[in-house]
Amino acid sequence: AQSVTQPDIHITVSEGASLELRCNYSYGATPYLFWYVQSPGQGLQLLLKYFSGDTLVQGIKGFEAEFKRSQSSFNLRKPSVHWSDAAEYFCAVGGSGTYKYIFGTGTRLKVLA
Amino acid sequence: NAGVTQTPKFRILKIGQSMTLQCTQDMNHNYMYWYRQDPGMGLKLIYYSVGAGITDKGEVPNGYNVSRSTTEDFPLRLELAAPSQTSVYFCASSLKTGLAYNEQFFGPGTRLTVL
Repeated sequence: AQSVTQPDIHITVSEGASLELRCNYSYGATPYLFWYVQSPGQGLQLLLKYFSGDTLVQGIKGFEAEFKRSQSSFNLRKPSVHWSDAAEYFCAVGGSGTYKYIFGTGTRLKVLA
Repeated sequence: NAGVTQTPKFRILKIGQSMTLQCTQDMNHNYMYWYRQDPGMGLKLIYYSVGAGITDKGEVPNGYNVSRSTTEDFPLRLELAAPSQTSVYFCASSLKTGLAYNEQFFGPGTRLTVL
């Protein structure tokens, strides 16, 4: 079955610390992978995406993610977190032959000053 | 270029009432989607459309209806509102280029409460 798992419901980090949000997927074909961010009361904004090619992808706001096919993972990273990064983060998977996404349940990030 | 717009932002309904959530996109995207977001549940697909005049059910279509008479508009209709439909609703759109289904763009959401 196709699915996306974000194991961490909540994560708290101090401002300036590094961040890694985990995402594992199960998908029968070549996956398209996405990370979205949702600030309070807002819609979802695309941070980055992976379709093919270089497995390390750069996104907006200083985020990056690495696709690891052997581990079925697409973890999101940022070397130094800013207070404005506090939000909810969603991982999603799609495929070349489908326009439907499967979303994870989200990870809520809290940043301590 | 406004992207995806949704109205209203907030609404409170009584049980049994009906309403239409509006969604418009100005990016000439052929694909449009309606999701609902419940706490801790991620996003669930309600309905989607692959072009004007073509719609299909997603994961959780019961209690909802849609139409797509134009490329730009994709309204979601709730008939006989129930407390279980209390949620945040997001409209999204995407563009198919060749064989690629590109990223989805989301509207700001409609927060609906049914009492």
